[in-house]
Amino acid sequence: SQQGEEDPQALSIQEGENATMNCSYKTSINNLQWYRQNSGRGLVHLILIRSNEREKHSGRLRVTLDTSKKSSSLLITASRAADTASYFCADNSGGSNYKLTFGKGTLLTVNP
Amino acid sequence: GAGVSQSPSNKVTEKGKDVELRCDPISGHTALYWYRQRLGQGLEFLIYFQGNSAPDKSGLPSDRFSAERTGESVSTLTIQRTQQEDSAVYLCASSRQGNSNSPLHFGNGTRLTVT
Repeated sequence: SQQGEEDPQALSIQEGENATMNCSYKTSINNLQWYRQNSGRGLVHLILIRSNEREKHSGRLRVTLDTSKKSSSLLITASRAADTASYFCADNSGGSNYKLTFGKGTLLTVNP
Repeated sequence: GAGVSQSPSNKVTEKGKDVELRCDPISGHTALYWYRQRLGQGLEFLIYFQGNSAPDKSGLPSDRFSAERTGESVSTLTIQRTQQEDSAVYLCASSRQGNSNSPLHFGNGTRLTVT
């Protein structure tokens, strides 16, 4: 399977609920990043977590990293309709100094 | 401030024609990337520029694809003799330093349709 694969592929929740998306990777990384993409737009950087960090917060976002399981999760708390978007994780697979490898993303739909 | 700008936003072309896609990165960003995104898919790395040189062209799918960057600024991605499988959104991104710790700033992409 692909480096930086997210699951689930699609997630539909109600406003106010929490949304959790997961990402797995295969090779060593220096950091892992999460991006958001609204329909028809480019990607927007959300958060970066370094390989020596286990958890990071930014507003309603919480990211965890488990290097022993080669996985990361993105939690969005108290979701809003405006959070509807695709979410991608990206990592520097194989320790690349410059290249980010993106997964296929999770399409999150938050219903009002 | 201005973000990454891509033009055109949409391009429809006939199979066999050449197309040029343009990217204006954020001023001062030394690193520039091109990615391709097929419908419902993730991003496929095409090429990386550091300044005006391209140390990694490994993602270019065939010799019909080429890219250049001038003045450590504007980049153009050229696709010659387009094929239907080239239909996708082409995304450009820039970053301040071009290391994996620098977040990428993306443009809104060029949606290419080859008929």
